Amino acid sequence: GESVGLHLPTLSVQEGDNSIINCAYSNSASDYFIWYKQESGKGPQFIIDIRSNMDKRQGQRVTVLLNKTVKHLSLQIAATQPGDSAVYFCAESSMENNRLAFGKGNQVVVIP
Amino acid sequence: DTAVSQTPKYLVTQMGNDKSIKCEQNLGHDTMYWYKQDSKKFLKIMFSYNNKELIINETVPNRFSPKSPDKAHLNLHINSLELGDSAVYFCASSQGVGDNSPLHFGNGTRLTVT
Repeated sequence: GESVGLHLPTLSVQEGDNSIINCAYSNSASDYFIWYKQESGKGPQFIIDIRSNMDKRQGQRVTVLLNKTVKHLSLQIAATQPGDSAVYFCAESSMENNRLAFGKGNQVVVIP
Repeated sequence: DTAVSQTPKYLVTQMGNDKSIKCEQNLGHDTMYWYKQDSKKFLKIMFSYNNKELIINETVPNRFSPKSPDKAHLNLHINSLELGDSAVYFCASSQGVGDNSPLHFGNGTRLTVT
C-alpha cells in the first residue's frame, strides 16, 4: 500500500483517549502556524491555525499550543476517534517570506 | 462543488514524455500554488501565482513550467519527465499572499514515471 516502507513518527492512541502531536519549527520570524490533517489518498486538510500573538487556540476537539520561546507547536486532540487516523503536519509562515513551509508529518493511528 | 480540483488524479507515463496537470479553484482566491510531496510525505512548495503573476519560484528544474490563464486556474506542465519526478503533486489556493491565510489543497495527482 501507500505506506509500505514509510517510517513517519507514529503515535498509536486508544479510541477515546487524548492525543498530543508535537512540532518544532525553525524560523524565529514565523508568525503564523497551521495544523493540517492528511488522510490516505487526499490532500492536506486545514484543522486549526494560530498567530504568534497568541499561545493557545481551541477548536472543536482540538487545541493548538504555541511556545515561541522554544519554537514549539503542539496539537491536542480530545477523545480521539477512528476518523482521526491520518498524517498530521504543522506548517509555518511569515509575512516576510510569503510561503507556507511544512514540517515532517506525524502518523496518528487510532486503535478501536 | 469541490473547492480545489485537479486532474488527473493518477498519471502513469514513461521517461522523456511531456505531461500536464490541471488545477482549478472556485473559492475566489487570488493566490494558487503547486506543492510536491515525496515518498516520505515531505511537502515542498514549487510555485506560487498571485492574480496570474508568478511570485514564488523555488529551485525547480526548468522542465517544470506553470501557467495561469486566469486567477482560478494554475496548470503545471512537465517536459522530458524523469524517474525522480515521480511524486504526488498538490495544487492549493489561498485568499491572498503574505496575509497569513490558510491554504486549501486539492486531492493531489500521483505521477508515476517508468
